[in-house]
Amino acid sequence: AQSVTQPDIHITVSEGASLELRCNYSYGATPYLFWYVQSPGQGLQLLLKYFSGDTLVQGIKGFEAEFKRSQSSFNLRKPSVHWSDAAEYFCAVGARNTDKLIFGTGTRLQVFP
Amino acid sequence: NAGVTQTPKFRVLKTGQSMTLLCAQDMNHEYMYWYRQDPGMGLRLIHYSVGEGTTAKGEVPDGYNVSRLKKQNFLLGLESAAPSQTSVYFCASKWGVSEQYFGPGTRLTVT
Repeated sequence: AQSVTQPDIHITVSEGASLELRCNYSYGATPYLFWYVQSPGQGLQLLLKYFSGDTLVQGIKGFEAEFKRSQSSFNLRKPSVHWSDAAEYFCAVGARNTDKLIFGTGTRLQVFP
Repeated sequence: NAGVTQTPKFRVLKTGQSMTLLCAQDMNHEYMYWYRQDPGMGLRLIHYSVGEGTTAKGEVPDGYNVSRLKKQNFLLGLESAAPSQTSVYFCASKWGVSEQYFGPGTRLTVT
């Protein structure tokens, strides 16, 4: 079955610390992968996406993610977290032969000063 | 360029009442989607459309109907609201092989 797993429901980091949010997927086809961010009371904003090519993808707000096919993972990273990064982060997977995305259940990031 | 807009932003219904949520996009996107978001469950697809005049069921379609009479609009209807439909509803759209663009959401409470 197709699925996306975000194992960490809630992560707390100090401002300035590095961050890694995990995403694992199970998908039959070659996946398209996305990370979205949702601030409280807002819609989802795309951080970055992977369709093909270089497996290290750069996104907005200083985020990056690495596609590792052998591990079925697409982890999101940021070297130094800012207080404004506090939000909920969603990983999603799709494919060329489907019109739909499958979303993970999200990771809520809390940032302490 | 407003992107994806949703009307209304908030709504409170009594059990058994009906309502329609409107999603509009001005990006000429072919694909449009309705999701619901509940705590701890991520986003679940209700219905979607791959073009004007087409609709298809998603993961949780029961109790909802949709229509796509115009390319830019995608309507979500609740025929007889139930407390289990209390949720935040998001509309999204995309063009071809691209990311989905999301609206700001509609918070619906059914009492």
